Amino acid sequence: GDSVTQMEGPVTLSEEAFLTINCTYTATGYPSLFWYVQYPGEGLQLLLKATKADDKGSNKGFEATYRKETTSFHLEKGSVQVSDSAVYFCALSDRTSGTYKYIFGTGTRLKVLA
Amino acid sequence: NAGVTQTPEFQVLKTGQSMTLQCAQDMNHEYMSWYRQDPGMGLRLIHYSVGAGITDQGEVPNGYNVSRSTTEDFPLRLLSAAPSQTSVYFCASSRAGQGTETQYFGPGTRLLVL
Repeated sequence: GDSVTQMEGPVTLSEEAFLTINCTYTATGYPSLFWYVQYPGEGLQLLLKATKADDKGSNKGFEATYRKETTSFHLEKGSVQVSDSAVYFCALSDRTSGTYKYIFGTGTRLKVLA
Repeated sequence: NAGVTQTPEFQVLKTGQSMTLQCAQDMNHEYMSWYRQDPGMGLRLIHYSVGAGITDQGEVPNGYNVSRSTTEDFPLRLLSAAPSQTSVYFCASSRAGQGTETQYFGPGTRLLVL
């Protein structure tokens, strides 16, 4: 079945450092791809998404490009802040028998130090 | 707006006890789902529903029952709790469509089974 693989965490960076969190996927069709963020003690919230190949999702300085040729959707930010400390989840939508379900990666914890 | 609400926030059960985790949304979303979050495992789909009266199994459905009698509510029932069901449970909702929709998550229910 479809699956999502994320880089292991935790990732620890200094403030203003460049961030990359790798995400690759396997899918039989053409899924939509998502990044969700979970702040401590909260539920997940959408960070960005891309619905077709070569689309770039962006929000709050974060970006990710849907790369069909490498089956990847890596998350990047040019300059992280302490407030970006959270767990980041890559996800895809999997269409099975006409209905959609969403598959999540294991999450990558980011810690940004002042 | 309340969005997605979950009750209780925290629960302790003894092995063999039953309970229902409540989930409600006020956004008139057709699609609702339950996930469990475990360390190192990410979010795993338990059950989902594409509308009132329609439910389907996700990745880890064993030990859990669901029903969807209204658009707003999607309760998750544990018939006989086991220590392996200790986890954080998240409910999510979204509009039904082509798998591109944003999922909105509740704050979670933390369950401890002794």
